[in-house]
Amino acid sequence: DADVTQTPRNRITKTGKRIMLECSQTKGHDRMYWYRQDPGLGLRLIYYSFDVKDINKGEISDGYSVSRQAQAKFSLSLESAIPNQTALYFCATSDLDEEGQETQYFGPGTRLLVL
Amino acid sequence: RKEVEQDPGPFNVPEGATVAFNCTYSNSASQSFFWYRQDCRKEPKLLMSVYSSGNEDGRFTAQLNRASQYISLLIRDSKLSDSATYLCVGRRGSTLGRLYFGRGTQLTVWP
Repeated sequence: DADVTQTPRNRITKTGKRIMLECSQTKGHDRMYWYRQDPGLGLRLIYYSFDVKDINKGEISDGYSVSRQAQAKFSLSLESAIPNQTALYFCATSDLDEEGQETQYFGPGTRLLVL
Repeated sequence: RKEVEQDPGPFNVPEGATVAFNCTYSNSASQSFFWYRQDCRKEPKLLMSVYSSGNEDGRFTAQLNRASQYISLLIRDSKLSDSATYLCVGRRGSTLGRLYFGRGTQLTVWP
């Protein structure tokens, strides 16, 4: 079983619709992240959370919201989808190792198309 | 200017070749760096961490030059399976700092 899962894997929606992308992890990590990836732009951070009561905006949070329902779950919502939110969305988790170093582990991604 | 810049390529090399990618970073406060590998339509996966001057893992060598603010990845004896996009990633400040991803460098190894 995958350690970081995302649902749905693919989604087509229409402009103005509200949609939610979900992320679950079994790694027991406190830190979770949402990124989007666009061709030629690399990964950009949308929101991140260091524990259940902690939510932080990333570099491109406008038009998105998140909910950290539990340590294992971090959801991303698009309140009113628009076409330029068409992208590949990745959830990631991380924790510090014994040496204080962090590695991020990514989910398989959700392909979102907004018509 | 992006925090991390890398040549998007593509780099097309024959099997067995040695190939090197460079990546520059703009913020001197960046403390640690990483190379991630991403296969087409898949998630990024950590290839190597670069915390000091460099790191070596088998056919892969990563080097960090703080004076010139660049990181390099050297792949020796390229395999077909090395074909992927390589993402250069920097972290500003401490281990609590966010990651900044480059756009990726595409590598194709041909037989």
